[in-house]
Amino acid sequence: DTEVTQTPKHLVMGMTNKKSLKCEQHMGHRAMYWYKQKAKKPPELMFVYSYEKLSINESVPSRFSPECPNSSLLNLHLHALQPEDSALYLCASSPPGSAEAFFGQGTRLTVV
Amino acid sequence: GEDVEQSLFLSVREGDSSVINCTYTDSSSTYLYWYKQEPGAGLQLLTYIFSNMDMKQDQRLTVLLNKKDKHLSLRIADTQTGDSAIYFCAETPGGADGLTFGKGTHLIIQP
Repeated sequence: DTEVTQTPKHLVMGMTNKKSLKCEQHMGHRAMYWYKQKAKKPPELMFVYSYEKLSINESVPSRFSPECPNSSLLNLHLHALQPEDSALYLCASSPPGSAEAFFGQGTRLTVV
Repeated sequence: GEDVEQSLFLSVREGDSSVINCTYTDSSSTYLYWYKQEPGAGLQLLTYIFSNMDMKQDQRLTVLLNKKDKHLSLRIADTQTGDSAIYFCAETPGGADGLTFGKGTHLIIQP
């Protein structure tokens, strides 16, 4: 299995909803990432987990809450989002000792 | 934050070579990367170069690195319609985890 799998592919949620984005990889990668990509913009790093510990949090609002239950899974819990949070959310992973990042296809989130 | 600069658009004829340029700012980046993103899709790692190399070739792709000028380029030989996408260069500033991307170059292929 050489893929990073993200679910769901599309999500529409209201501003009072709670939802979660999921990411899974079975390549033995020990670093996992969440990126946010707005339309016509480059991806921006949100969170980095290294060996299941949060190592980087790029000043992301607390309405985004990451979780890494084990070395294969990465979640992003969403609560009380704003319409400006609508974006493509990309998960990525890297092998140990490497900075190559392999990306999932993303979850396209729309907040209404 | 660091800025990675790219031209926003490049238009080439099918069969010609495409050269996409990037200027990065962090000389401590160990690796520099090129990613491809097709509409509605995630990012695909195309190639990367170690910072102590000048050139790397991989089939139709050639990466050139000028570390003195912090300039990176990606040459795509014999450009095809399937090469139409946005191309992002990326660095790892300070060697840290996570990538900083350029703004992306939209490659447009003319028949």
